[in-house]
Amino acid sequence: DAGVTQSPTHLIKTRGQQVTLRCSPKSGHDTVSWYQQALGQGPQFIFQYYEEEERQRGNFPDRFSGHQFPNYSSELNVNALLLGDSALYLCASKSSHAGLRTEAFFGQGTRLTVV
Amino acid sequence: GEDVEQSLFLSVREGDSSVINCTYTDSSSTYLYWYKQEPGAGLQLLTYIFSNMDMKQDQRLTVLLNKKDKHLSLRIADTQTGDSAIYFCAETPLYNTDKLIFGTGTRLQVFP
Repeated sequence: DAGVTQSPTHLIKTRGQQVTLRCSPKSGHDTVSWYQQALGQGPQFIFQYYEEEERQRGNFPDRFSGHQFPNYSSELNVNALLLGDSALYLCASKSSHAGLRTEAFFGQGTRLTVV
Repeated sequence: GEDVEQSLFLSVREGDSSVINCTYTDSSSTYLYWYKQEPGAGLQLLTYIFSNMDMKQDQRLTVLLNKKDKHLSLRIADTQTGDSAIYFCAETPLYNTDKLIFGTGTRLQVFP
């Protein structure tokens, strides 16, 4: 089992550009969440996808959008990049059958640097 | 409100016990978690405790929960250099089990 895989591992973009990050969930998992971890901070919840729809969203602007595909993989898109968007972006997956316990498994993350 | 706080740094000698503390504000928390993050890596779930429990032990790890004071701690017995990492506590509120709310992390440094 490959676990949660994210691509790319590192990315450098210019202010104003757009970026797409990708995530493949752990086998058997159908729910994907995205988190932003700024340097020296804990991860912050961006949103969660289940059944190809955004189910829950954190306090992030509309520049952050996502998508989930029928195979449960997911993309995170960020438009009009700002310097403050530089962070480690983490994808977490879980099974919808996990109930109240959010037994989320995290990927290695994508390090985004905006210059 | 949602707020999880941790001390920033902890330094211990190899072989000693480490205790990492966390306080949270949401009294509706269902599960509380401890994650480990090594340099350049994602988050690894170490252990978790349900909010109606006081203590959970898992090999070298002991989690203590004081629900009245909203205080959570992680004790690592016989700390090894491989335990050096950042440790995050996180909680899942009852009203929203879709997300994890993380603390700022405690950097544990183990010296020989």
